[in-house]
Amino acid sequence: ETGVTQSPTHLIKTRGQQVTLRCSSQSGHNTVSWYQQALGQGPQFIFQYYREEENGRGNFPPRFSGLQFPNYSSELNVNALELDDSALYLCASSFYGYGYTFGSGTRLTVV
Amino acid sequence: GNSVTQMEGPVTLSEEAFLTINCTYTATGYPSLFWYVQYPGEGLQLLLKATKADDKGSNKGFEATYRKETTSFHLEKGSVQVSDSAVYFCALSDVQGAQKLVFGQGTRLTINP
Repeated sequence: ETGVTQSPTHLIKTRGQQVTLRCSSQSGHNTVSWYQQALGQGPQFIFQYYREEENGRGNFPPRFSGLQFPNYSSELNVNALELDDSALYLCASSFYGYGYTFGSGTRLTVV
Repeated sequence: GNSVTQMEGPVTLSEEAFLTINCTYTATGYPSLFWYVQYPGEGLQLLLKATKADDKGSNKGFEATYRKETTSFHLEKGSVQVSDSAVYFCALSDVQGAQKLVFGQGTRLTINP
C-alpha cells in the first residue's frame, strides 16, 4: 500500500507570486485535507476535499484554493504569497475522514 | 470552538525516565482523541488514538486514556529511549462538519543518553 506523497519537498517563492503544491493520496483513500504548520506550531486545518468538492474550510483567505482530481490526488494553490505563508504544508488522505495518513510535507519559504 | 492545550516544552529527560505530556481539550460532543509524533524533517505519524471515554490507546510503550470528566488525554511512557526524541502533538477529531483534526501546539521531547 502506497503512502501519501507530496511534491516538491522544498521551494522558495517571492512575495506576490503564486504557488502550487501537489499531493498523491494513499491507495483506497477518497478524502484529502491540507494543513499549514508554521514553525514551532501545531498544524492548522486549511480545507478538505471529497468527491472533487471542498467540504470544509478553516480560517484561511480565498487566495488559498484547492483541487481534487478523479484519482483522488490533490493540489493546493496559494495566490499573492505573503511572508507569513512561509510554513510546512501537510497533506493528509483518509477514508471518509477516518484514518488520516500524512505526507512528509512541502516546506515553503516566501522571501 | 474546539481546542487542544498541551504542556509547553521543551521537555528534556534522561534515558529510561518516566514521561508524561499533558493534554487537555475543549470540544462539543464526543470527539476522537489522538497523539501524533513528528520526527525532524518528516510529516506526522499517528502514535495512538482513543475514540470514546475511558478508552486507552497504546503503541510502542506509549499510553493515553480518554478522560471525559477531566477533558484530558495525557501521554505516558514508563521508560523513554533516545529514539523517542521528537515533537508530540495532541489532537482531536472535530466530529462536526469536515471531521478536521484540531492540534495542540506540540511538545518537543529530547531524551539524553
